[in-house]
Amino acid sequence: DSGVTQTPKHLITATGQRVTLRCSPRSGDLSVYWYQQSLDQGLQFLIQYYNGEERAKGNILERFSAQQFPDLHSELNLSSLELGDSALYFCASSGTSGSENNEQFFGPGTRLTVL
Amino acid sequence: GQSLEQPSEVTAVEGAIVQINCTYQTSGFYGLSWYQQHDGGAPTFLSYNALDGLEETGRFSSFLSRSDSYGYLLLQELQMKDSASYFCAVRDGTSGTYKYIFGTGTRLKVLA
Repeated sequence: DSGVTQTPKHLITATGQRVTLRCSPRSGDLSVYWYQQSLDQGLQFLIQYYNGEERAKGNILERFSAQQFPDLHSELNLSSLELGDSALYFCASSGTSGSENNEQFFGPGTRLTVL
Repeated sequence: GQSLEQPSEVTAVEGAIVQINCTYQTSGFYGLSWYQQHDGGAPTFLSYNALDGLEETGRFSSFLSRSDSYGYLLLQELQMKDSASYFCAVRDGTSGTYKYIFGTGTRLKVLA
């Protein structure tokens, strides 16, 4: 158990809909990262927040947005969902801003299925 | 553009040693990480190299050569539980900001 929690574990929805994925980092961790992993694919970095502010950005679609709240939990919002958005979404956290040893602790993931 | 290349699959027998290579192409390199992911599970951190050389952690070691844009993960005394996918990852700092790039992963099969 990494200490990172994600809800829900599974999510099934229809095209065009909007969903929100939630992540709680390990106690004391200030950084939260979001990744997308499609079937048999590697991890695609979406975005990083550090202490409430956006710190790094990957190839995140404009239909996707995220934020980190004062209690450090984070939410990833996915809108106008398409079939291709079906994937496993991981949240990770770390105690640093990312400039140190780079160790990230991953949550169990949310499996999103768009029908 | 930025990219990482690693073999898609490696097979070895229990007790053997296996090396998983990773070559990268970035402009603002900040370090090479390795993660393990079992089927259906979440990635777990194995190691991080910011400087050239070998880092050893138990049965696993990781090596980096920044001049060659190359690194590898060495797994010794292979066990069945080591069967998993292994990803190399870099923190690429181009364009005044940075992002994390993961390789497509190497699936390791350990045979009895």
